[in-house]
Amino acid sequence: AQTVTQSQPEMSVQEAETVTLSCTYDTSESDYYLFWYKQPPSRQMILVIRQEAYKQQNATENRFSVNFQKAAKSFSLKISDSQLGDAAMYFCACTTNTGNQFYFGTGTSLTVIP
Amino acid sequence: DAGVIQSPRHEVTEMGQEVTLRCKPISGHDYLFWYRQTMMRGLELLIYFNNNVPIDDSGMPEDRFSAKMPNASFSTLKIQPSEPRDSAVYFCASSPYPYEQYFGPGTRLTVT
Repeated sequence: AQTVTQSQPEMSVQEAETVTLSCTYDTSESDYYLFWYKQPPSRQMILVIRQEAYKQQNATENRFSVNFQKAAKSFSLKISDSQLGDAAMYFCACTTNTGNQFYFGTGTSLTVIP
Repeated sequence: DAGVIQSPRHEVTEMGQEVTLRCKPISGHDYLFWYRQTMMRGLELLIYFNNNVPIDDSGMPEDRFSAKMPNASFSTLKIQPSEPRDSAVYFCASSPYPYEQYFGPGTRLTVT
């Protein structure tokens, strides 16, 4: 079975600063995918970034980047130059290549302070 | 593309009533997923379809829940009879592959 753990229920960051959200996972699969989703108050789940486990290079999408440590089973999200619109709940998720199950963490609520 | 479309966005019903939630996936996506989100249990996968065929329904909580996908552009999640503990936000998601999902806006269900 797979599990995804987000140990930070809440985080805050000053506008324009950088914040890192933590995520650890556990899977027995060798081929899997990791994701960060953002859920703003509108409750729409928005895909932020994706990382394939077989890729050593960390994924980057504009101000969002990940630190993927495969041996440690760690997948943290770094948000640079934080903006007020980044305030949301962030979910870490993991699935295998077959996609038979999609496991989500419990989420981290991010507050951006003006 | 308009993205995944769900209706209604909000549903309030009385205990014992039948509730039907609807989803239109993104055109060309072969996979469709139904999730339930609550504060207590977080996001739970209820069922998913591949090419309109249910593949895994082990997350469906009980027989009161049923899901169908009669064609590639439409799916329903039905609860009959509804109970207050079914109150949650229900998400539909679609994907061109099994490992990346695009979510709809969700339906907030309140059962009184």
